[in-house]
Amino acid sequence: RKEVEQDPGPFNVPEGATVAFNCTYSNSASQSFFWYRQDCRKEPKLLMSVYSSGNEDGRFTAQLNRASQYISLLIRDSKLSDSATYLCVVNTNTGRRALTFGSGTRLQVQP
Amino acid sequence: DGGITQSPKYLFRKEGQNVTLSCEQNLNHDAMYWYRQDPGQGLRLIYYSQIVNDFQKGDIAEGYSVSREKKESFPLTVTSAQKNPTAFYLCASSIAPQLAKNIQYFGAGTRLSVL
Repeated sequence: RKEVEQDPGPFNVPEGATVAFNCTYSNSASQSFFWYRQDCRKEPKLLMSVYSSGNEDGRFTAQLNRASQYISLLIRDSKLSDSATYLCVVNTNTGRRALTFGSGTRLQVQP
Repeated sequence: DGGITQSPKYLFRKEGQNVTLSCEQNLNHDAMYWYRQDPGQGLRLIYYSQIVNDFQKGDIAEGYSVSREKKESFPLTVTSAQKNPTAFYLCASSIAPQLAKNIQYFGAGTRLSVL
């Protein structure tokens, strides 16, 4: 089983739609969680950290469910510019302090 | 501007040749990382360094080598022992790896292809 699993998509949605992605992680000792955004042939960029209480940044809402070991990202009022791959990232705190990346979920927002 | 600079952007390697990818950061970050990304896949950790003059193997270190002689620099050498080097290589840094948050910031990447 992969440490971090995501549905690869693609999710094809019309502009203005609400779309949600889930991500599951296998290590129950994981301590911090992030969503990164990666545009085609570019580097990943931090979209938002994910806090236990859930957090919102404009049209983006991230939630963490420790009991079920999953993280979600909700995008409201999708824009064409939201088209990208969204990477779920987990810090398992195994001592090397490196992050474990999911393979990403591709979103295509259509006009 | 503060950031992470990777060079070159594109690199071609001949069979049997060693090539070195540069990564420089002026963020004063302690930790630096090298990842490899293959098409449609997630990032895989090659090497990481939490402090100057120290580095550790990641999940796919075979065929690669690194050095960390200066805080701001973490070059990656792809040796001839790496039989499938074609990939997108990403360098990252973080301010303090001992923090649970450990947000990593990435350079723009180097695309390596085999001639």
